Amino acid sequence: DVQMTQSPSYLAASPGESVFISCKASKSISNYLAWYQQKPGEANKLLIYSGSTLQSGTPSRFSGSGSGTDFTLTIRNLEPEDFAVYYCQQYYEKPHLTFGSGTKLEIK
Amino acid sequence: EVQLVESGGGLVQPGRSLKLSCAASGFTFSNYYMAWVRQAPKKGLEWVATISTSGSRTYYPDSVKGRFTISRDNAKSSLYLQMNSLKSEDTATYYCARPPMGSYFDYWGQGVMVTVSS
Repeated sequence: DVQMTQSPSYLAASPGESVFISCKASKSISNYLAWYQQKPGEANKLLIYSGSTLQSGTPSRFSGSGSGTDFTLTIRNLEPEDFAVYYCQQYYEKPHLTFGSGTKLEIK
Repeated sequence: EVQLVESGGGLVQPGRSLKLSCAASGFTFSNYYMAWVRQAPKKGLEWVATISTSGSRTYYPDSVKGRFTISRDNAKSSLYLQMNSLKSEDTATYYCARPPMGSYFDYWGQGVMVTVSS
């Protein structure tokens, strides 16, 4: 099984700043990677798929990059609504799917 | 608007069974793979099961294989998860989700809580 390692597990930042979240796969997954946002009381939201393709409705301040084993979610010019937990997920080995352990982004 | 609404959660004793349901609307249910994903308290997301459009193919991780069964009723636009031989480690919020062709999840339900405890 492909293991997904996310870092950092916790991140504090201020509105207006940029943050970078890393996701590393235990073997090459090409670009079969998605990113999600999780907020209390809301349905989980798909932000990015295929490593860098923004899902419809995802603000342009979000971007994804990487391929193979190393991926990054970048959020530029943080807005108050961006403070949430973020997960990566591989689907290279679909239908067997695995998630990263999550990154909690909090307001500094 | 795509909507996925889970039901059937609750408190159940170890070793017993529980069946979750998910009512789908806002899309042609029979055209999509469907799945369940869970999240234990204070933990991350874990994929639990996926079913093909017709229901002929099902997939599970080793952690639930042989105990959980995913099924669907396309006429009712409904997804199900039969959970048998429940363990304390199955305690989690269970989400119904839509994975196009079994890949990433483009829509999620709000989740339903399952607590396995004596």
